[in-house]
Amino acid sequence: KQEVTQIPAALSVPEGENLVLNCSFTDSAIYNLQWFRQDPGKGLTSLLLIQSSQREQTSGRLNASLDKSSGRSTLYIAASQPGDSATYLCAPANPPVANYGQNFVFGPGTRLSVLP
Amino acid sequence: EAGVTQSPTHLIKTRGQQATLRCSPISGHTSVYWYQQALGLGLQFLLWYDEGEERNRGNFPPRFSGRQFPNYSSELNVNALELEDSALYLCASSTGQGIGHNQPQHFGDGTRLSIL
Repeated sequence: KQEVTQIPAALSVPEGENLVLNCSFTDSAIYNLQWFRQDPGKGLTSLLLIQSSQREQTSGRLNASLDKSSGRSTLYIAASQPGDSATYLCAPANPPVANYGQNFVFGPGTRLSVLP
Repeated sequence: EAGVTQSPTHLIKTRGQQATLRCSPISGHTSVYWYQQALGLGLQFLLWYDEGEERNRGNFPPRFSGRQFPNYSSELNVNALELEDSALYLCASSTGQGIGHNQPQHFGDGTRLSIL
């Protein structure tokens, strides 16, 4: 059964800092891993999707890396802004194996606050 | 392009009642996913439909059920509501889940279900 952890649980930084969010997963047989942000009371916004054959993906100030063998992914945010304040979740996607229960497992998230 | 839409935004029920939540995927998407986000429990996978069929199911009791219509919209039905069913229910859609599963999920803003 896939288990996902995210460290830290919460992070508060001053505006302009570069920061790294960590995601660890126990089952490395994933198809891809997706990073999302969630604003309070809202749905999830997809940020980046890394395929299992890729090492990293970049979008603007965001860079996500994937080390499938060690079960780790990081989300790097450069020059953080107050608008980046949200909860960030990672979600590795596993094949739908019978009795697996679920093939999309989300981490608990990292709550980020960027202070002006 | 319209995003994933969910209705209603809020739903208030009492214990023992039945609730129906609706989701319209992004045009062209054939896969629909349902998640429950209860306070303090993170995002839990409920159901996955693709091309009208249930493809996978999370660890939830049978009173959670759903279906996908020919136009790919979906319903989530929760019978015999219990207090702990109070949560934000999120729907996501993606293009077809062929081998590789490398299609990002796009989320709606959710239905907040409150059980009194």
